[in-house]
Order: sequence, then C-alpha cells, then structure tokens
Amino acid sequence: GENVEQHPSTLSVQEGDSAVIKCTYSDSASNYFPWYKQELGKRPQLIIDIRSNVGEKKDQRIAVTLNKTAKHFSLHITETQPEDSAVYFCAASERGSTLGRLYFGRGTQLTVWP
Amino acid sequence: NAGVTQTPKFQVLKTGQSMTLQCAQDMNHEYMSWYRQDPGMGLRLIHYSVGAGITDQGEVPNGYNVSRSTTEDFPLRLLSAAPSQTSVYFCASSRWDSEQYFGPGTRLTVT
Repeated sequence: GENVEQHPSTLSVQEGDSAVIKCTYSDSASNYFPWYKQELGKRPQLIIDIRSNVGEKKDQRIAVTLNKTAKHFSLHITETQPEDSAVYFCAASERGSTLGRLYFGRGTQLTVWP
Repeated sequence: NAGVTQTPKFQVLKTGQSMTLQCAQDMNHEYMSWYRQDPGMGLRLIHYSVGAGITDQGEVPNGYNVSRSTTEDFPLRLLSAAPSQTSVYFCASSRWDSEQYFGPGTRLTVT
C-alpha cells in the first residue's frame, strides 16, 4: 500500500514569516493530495488539495506544489498568523478508483509566535 | 445538511466491555471510513466501506468490527475493549472524487 511521510513533525515560526511542510509518497498511482488542518480539540478540515495533472495550486496565503517525478508535495503558508497554529496533515489517494482511501502523514504541529 | 455526525462525544469503558460508536452522514456519500488518532501517530485507518454491504480492513483493524447496511450509517463496534483502544475516533465520508469530510470525533477512554 501507499506510504506517506511528513516533515517536520514540529515547526515554529514568527508571525509574518513563511512556513513549509513537506511530504513524500511511495505509490506512483496516487493522484490526489489533500492537506488538512486540525485545530486543538477539533476535527480535521480540508484546506487545499491538488490533483496529479496540476503542478501548483494557490488559495490566498496557502499554496501546494507537487513533483510527480520525485513523488513529493509541499504546503506553503505565507504571511503566517497566530490563527494558523494547528496540526497539518498531508495525505495521498488514488481517487476515483475502487479503493479511494486516504493515506495520511503523521502530522506537523505548526506554532506561529506573535 | 448535518454532514457527518458521531455519537457519543465522550465515553469511558472498563476493560472487556463492548460498545458501538455511531456514525451517520446525509450527503449520500459512497465512501465511509473510521480512523483513530493517537498523539504523534496521525490518523490511522481502522475500517472503510465503498458502499452499502461492502467493508474492508484498514491499517489497524484488530479489535474492531464494522457493517454497512445503509448508505447513511457506518457503526464501529468494539467487542471487548482494551486500554490500547483509548483514543480519539473519527468517522469520515466522501464521494469518489471529492474531499473527505470528518465527523466531530469520539473521545474514548478504556480503564
């Protein structure tokens, strides 16, 4: 099955700086890569996703890049704010297949200091 | 739409007791799954279902049973609770080609 690795496990940045979280995957059949944000005591919620036919996707301060050849994808948060503090999870999946299951990384605890 | 709902929100069990965690969704999603979340371990898949009557095991299925008699409901049964099953449990659902929505979670403690 798929194996997703995520780094770093913890990340501290000053407010206004950028944050980058990186993930690698093992299965070349994976074609869907979502990122979830989980605030303390809450459920994970999708913040951005990318499909394998796209190399980069942006949504305001958040962007995701995908390198299919190297099998890695990254989350970029610019102009970080204290409310960005949360645990972020990457995942990979072969969407549209009979499996459709998500394989998650172990998460990155992001702390943004004011 | 209520989205994905889970009950109960909190539960304390004694070792050896059994219970069922309930999960329901009203979005007519084909795919439903159960995850457990432990500190530093991310979200680990317990069981999943690709449609009514069809279930399969995930990464950590031991000690848990599931069934999917309707599209809406996907209960998770603990047959004989163990302290190692102390965790936060999330149910999730999705269509084949859309995002996965998570329920609010159930915090389970086994003493």
